[in-house]
Amino acid sequence: KAGVTQTPRYLIKTRGQQVTLSCSPISGHRSVSWYQQTPGQGLQFLFEYFSETQRNKGNFPGRFSGRQFSNSRSEMNVSTLELGDSALYLCASSPSGGRLREANEKLFFGSGTQLSVL
Amino acid sequence: LAKTTQPISMDSYEGQEVNITCSHNNIATNDYITWYQQFPSQGPRFIIQGYKTKVTNEVASLFIPADRKSSTLSLPRVSLSDTAVYYCLVGPYNNNDMRFGAGTRLTVKP
Repeated sequence: KAGVTQTPRYLIKTRGQQVTLSCSPISGHRSVSWYQQTPGQGLQFLFEYFSETQRNKGNFPGRFSGRQFSNSRSEMNVSTLELGDSALYLCASSPSGGRLREANEKLFFGSGTQLSVL
Repeated sequence: LAKTTQPISMDSYEGQEVNITCSHNNIATNDYITWYQQFPSQGPRFIIQGYKTKVTNEVASLFIPADRKSSTLSLPRVSLSDTAVYYCLVGPYNNNDMRFGAGTRLTVKP
């Protein structure tokens, strides 16, 4: 099976712009979650989607949004970019067979999109 | 809610066994303990998962005492390619409190 694919791999934007990142999960995986990773804050959870619905959300401002399509592919959008949004954005998929995440589910991560805001 | 604590960094030499301990004093009854490995500019990769006692797979062992308030990831005979950041995750992580720890940066020297 192909792994989790994230595009683009690198992105450079300027303050005030918006950006859309894409994630294709492993075939058959229905849950997609997004994370922001920075040297100072580590790995932080943004949100999770399951069957086109946002199932969980982290503590990020409304400028960060996402969606999931019927084929489980997901996009996240960041509007009005700030310098502090520079980070590695990671997407992870998991099988998540039911409406609730199983306690022992494993996350499969993509290689991430490195976003630089100038 | 449970919080994980790991050493910030560890050094080792090739061929040695490395043990990384994670503390999670407030672990909940239905929480599993999962360890991930991350190389620079890549996403974390699953290493091992356990609920209690000991779990072993082809790359690592995970020791969990009876009280489950800590866990130890054991990497046998490390090589240079094991240099990475190791994260202890206590879940289920289906909530806003994403309990990834700060990670342990393991450096393996020749």
